[in-house]
Amino acid sequence: GENVEQHPSTLSVQEGDSAVIKCTYSDSASNYFPWYKQELGKGPQLIIDIRSNVGEKKDQRIAVTLNKTAKHFSLHITETQPEDSAVYFCAAQLNSGYSTLTFGKGTMLLVSP
Amino acid sequence: DSGVTQTPKHLITATGQRVTLRCSPRSGDLSVYWYQQSLDQGLQFLIQYYNGEERAKGNILERFSAQQFPDLHSELNLSSLELGDSALYFCASSVAGSGTDTQYFGPGTRLTVL
Repeated sequence: GENVEQHPSTLSVQEGDSAVIKCTYSDSASNYFPWYKQELGKGPQLIIDIRSNVGEKKDQRIAVTLNKTAKHFSLHITETQPEDSAVYFCAAQLNSGYSTLTFGKGTMLLVSP
Repeated sequence: DSGVTQTPKHLITATGQRVTLRCSPRSGDLSVYWYQQSLDQGLQFLIQYYNGEERAKGNILERFSAQQFPDLHSELNLSSLELGDSALYFCASSVAGSGTDTQYFGPGTRLTVL
């Protein structure tokens, strides 16, 4: 089955800095890659996703890049703010039949004022 | 607010007991997914239902079972509970449950087994 590795497990930055979280996946047939943000005491919330026919997608301060050849994808957050502090999860999914999401272990992002 | 609701928010019970967790999907979503989140295992997929039928199974123990009712709400039943079953249980829903549907997560149920 699919295996998703996520790094780093924790990331501390100063407000205004950029943050980058990286994930690799094992199954080259995976072609949907969502990112979720989980705040304390809440469920994961989708913040951005990318499909394998696209190399990059941007939404305001958040961007995701995908390298299908290397089987890795990354989340980039620019101009970080304290409210960006949360746990971020990447995931991968096959676009076939009724496949399911495989999640990375998560990255705890701490943005200091 | 994702539109997915879960009850109860917290559940404290003893080993050997049985509990039922409930999930209502977003309006219009036909598919429901259950996940377990623990500190050491991360988010683990348990089981998926689509329009009342089991669609996919993940790392779900035999002591656990689920069903989806005609009104599309779902219940996850956990029996013969062990200390290691203490975790956050999330429900997610999506429109169809195939291909690359976006999954929307509920707020979760925190289960503590004493």
